[in-house]
Amino acid sequence: KAGVTQTPRYLIKTRGQQVTLSCSPISGHRSVSWYQQTPGQGLQFLFEYFSETQRNKGNFPGRFSGRQFSNSRSEMNVSTLELGDSALYLCASRDRGRLAGETDTQYFGPGTRLTVL
Amino acid sequence: AQSVTQLDSQVPVFEEAPVELRCNYSSSVSVYLFWYVQYPNQGLQLLLKYLSGSTLVKGINGFEAEFNKSQTSFHLRKPSVHISDTAEYFCAAPWLEGGSQGNLIFGKGTKLSVKP
Repeated sequence: KAGVTQTPRYLIKTRGQQVTLSCSPISGHRSVSWYQQTPGQGLQFLFEYFSETQRNKGNFPGRFSGRQFSNSRSEMNVSTLELGDSALYLCASRDRGRLAGETDTQYFGPGTRLTVL
Repeated sequence: AQSVTQLDSQVPVFEEAPVELRCNYSSSVSVYLFWYVQYPNQGLQLLLKYLSGSTLVKGINGFEAEFNKSQTSFHLRKPSVHISDTAEYFCAAPWLEGGSQGNLIFGKGTKLSVKP
């Protein structure tokens, strides 16, 4: 099976702009989670989508949003970009066959590196 | 508060030497534990995971980890490292607050640098 793919791999934006990142999960996986990775804060959970519904959300402002389509592909949007939004954004997919998925393995994509100038 | 702590931010080691990367978790997180590796300019790859059963878990690339409940630790070990093991390693556990259902809380990472 093909792995998790993310597009684009690199993005440069300026403050105040908005950006949309895309993630295609492993075929058959219905859950997509997004994480932000920065040198200062490390890896932090943003949100998870499952069956086109946001199921969980981390502690991020409302400028960060997302959605999931019927084919499980997901997009993440950041509006009114700030310098601190510069980060590697990783998406991860899992099957989520069980309601509670603590034992599921999350499979990560290569990430999108966003630079805000 | 839930936390996963990696005690060393950087570990330099010579090729063919043994290495141990330390991870401690707070008692309030799930006891399902994971180690991921991140090579430069790449995403995260699962090395191994502990779900239950034997406390010694073997993973890919010759790595293993031991779950120690009394010490709330899950240290990663390799008896002989290679240059190609140079990467950043992350310990993680499922986040339990807010009904997270499996989304992960990560340690800050340990950069392993293998020198010839």
